[in-house]
Amino acid sequence: GAVVSQHPSRVICKSGTSVKIECRSLDFQATTMFWYRQFPKQSLMLMATSNEGSKATYEQGVEKDKFLINHASLTLSTLTVTSAHPEDSSFYICSARRDRDQPQHFGDGTRLSIL
Amino acid sequence: QKEVEQNSGPLSVPEGAIASLNCTYSDRVSQSFFWYRQYSGKSPELIMSIYSNGDKEDGRFTAQLNKASQYVSLLIRDSQPSDSATYLCAAFSGGGADGLTFGKGTHLIIQP
Repeated sequence: GAVVSQHPSRVICKSGTSVKIECRSLDFQATTMFWYRQFPKQSLMLMATSNEGSKATYEQGVEKDKFLINHASLTLSTLTVTSAHPEDSSFYICSARRDRDQPQHFGDGTRLSIL
Repeated sequence: QKEVEQNSGPLSVPEGAIASLNCTYSDRVSQSFFWYRQYSGKSPELIMSIYSNGDKEDGRFTAQLNKASQYVSLLIRDSQPSDSATYLCAAFSGGGADGLTFGKGTHLIIQP
């Protein structure tokens, strides 16, 4: 168990486009979901923490108006990158967790390329 | 500020030998520890969880935790070329913090 599905796996689009990424926990209810970004050869960087039914908590330096997060249910969270620019190109990964002391399970990631 | 430290490597180990990956953490209240494996271009995959002092074994993997020394390690026995990956150590502190604190990862290379 503990399968997390992330879609789409890859997006290539023009500068100025908004891109929505979905993260679903398929076989468990996730009280909390997390969104990470990873640049090549660098470590995972937490962008925001999302609890179902409440506003996301963003890490310092992450623009909440640019990276919109919605956690509508215990199995679905979405990240929308608004008006994306080339510097937003990265590997975006979501994770989900049942309870606070349980491990996070990761989706397969979304590779975003902004031309 | 909580930190999780790992040697970035690369750590090169011959096939069949034991690979030893180490991690230290700065937050004394860290409660839970996790090892993830990440292949290049892929997302992390959970390998082991450990919550109490001592050793925990799962197949070829053994996690070791020493809270007094703030040290957690992962041993991989009978290393295989398919074990070549970056291994991420992560700690959960509880309290007000919701997420995991990740180390930067150790790049492991198993030489055939």
